[in-house]
Order: sequence, then structure tokens, then C-alpha cells
Amino acid sequence: DVKVTQSSRYLVKRTGEKVFLECVQDMDHENMFWYRQDPGLGLRLIYFSYDVKMKEKGDIPEGYSVSREKKERFSLILESASTNQTSMYLCASSPLSKDRASYEQYFGPGTRLTVT
Amino acid sequence: AQSVAQPEDQVNVAEGNPLTVKCTYSVSGNPYLFWYVQYPNRGLQFLLKYITGDNLVKGSYGFEAEFNKSQTSFHLKKPSALVSDSALYFCAVRDTDGSDYKLSFGAGTTVTVRA
Repeated sequence: DVKVTQSSRYLVKRTGEKVFLECVQDMDHENMFWYRQDPGLGLRLIYFSYDVKMKEKGDIPEGYSVSREKKERFSLILESASTNQTSMYLCASSPLSKDRASYEQYFGPGTRLTVT
Repeated sequence: AQSVAQPEDQVNVAEGNPLTVKCTYSVSGNPYLFWYVQYPNRGLQFLLKYITGDNLVKGSYGFEAEFNKSQTSFHLKKPSALVSDSALYFCAVRDTDGSDYKLSFGAGTTVTVRA
């Protein structure tokens, strides 16, 4: 089974702090994704990466950055946390496919971040 | 641009009754369509997908979905719901004409199955 793990299930940070969310997958997947989930809004893509050191902005990248130094690890960074970044953060991975994206994404358990 | 709509925020059914969760989509080309389920305090789990071929797709836990191109719909169905099916369900779409790997998700539908 594919396993995607996230470093914390719950996290409480203060406004202005730098926050690191870590995600690790064990299936040698090329693609990795960071989403935030908010009630009534579904999942919104923050950033994704299709290879080591490669990254692409998603739909809501403002206030976030990412790092992918190794294939199995994809980090989300909040440079200066704000209260409007309080949310559930979900990491996902998927293999590369010839037709670009017919494979499903595999999700981690999520990190519920509260910024006070 | 690609998008997906789940017109119902909540669906309530009695155990043993049929369950339907609705999804409609909009794409420029052809769609790849996915259903995921999220149990409380858990990540999303993949249920099924439509890529090509037979319009009726069967997936995990007895769920199935029917792709209808003329109605641009991909409704999730289960003939006989269980209390354990109570969860949050997401439909997602990707346009085959797109140039990246992004999925667009619906807002989600909360399913409650009462005993």
C-alpha cells in the first residue's frame, strides 16, 4: 500500500512564526501536492512538484513556499503565519503517467494547523 | 478551465436505502473524473475513477459511478447504504486538454446514513 505521512496531525503556532509542514511518501512517486481544505470550499491546490527541485504554483500560492530536495519528501513553508492560514493541510502524491494525470492521488492524514 | 460542482451540501439516507451523491463537471476537452471519501479526522481515500471506456465504473466498498457525457455528470451511487458510509465525499476532475497535473475538487457532500 502507498503510504503518505505528514509530520504532525495537529499544530498550533503564533502569528508571524515560520511554519514547516513535512510530507513523506514511500512509493517513489514523481508528483507531490499540497492542498488546504476549508469547509464549503473543498480542496484548493497550493503548490505541486513533478520532480526533485521542481515546483509549480497552484491556485492559492500566496503566503506559502515549498521545497523538494529529495524525491520522497515535499515540504510546505509558511514564511510568516497569519490567522487566515488556519486550516487543514493535506499532502498527496501520484505516479507519473504517459497521459499526464490518469492516476489517482494518494493522500496523507492531514495536519490541522491553528494560527493564533 | 476545469471545474466541478457538487450541488448538495448534505445527503441523508436510511441504512439499506440507495445512496446517490451528485457531481457535475466542466472541461474544455475530455474529463478524467475521480471520487474520494474522507472519514472524520482522516485524509482522503480514493474510491473510483473514470478515464475512458465503460460509462459505469465500479470502485471500493460497493460504490459505483456513472459517467454521462451529455449531462456532464458523474454521480456516485451505492445500492444499499451502510451507517459506516457516513463521511464527506469529494468529486474531482482533470481536463485532458490541460497542460499540468492539477485536479479540481468540488466543495464536498456530507453523507449521513441513519440506522
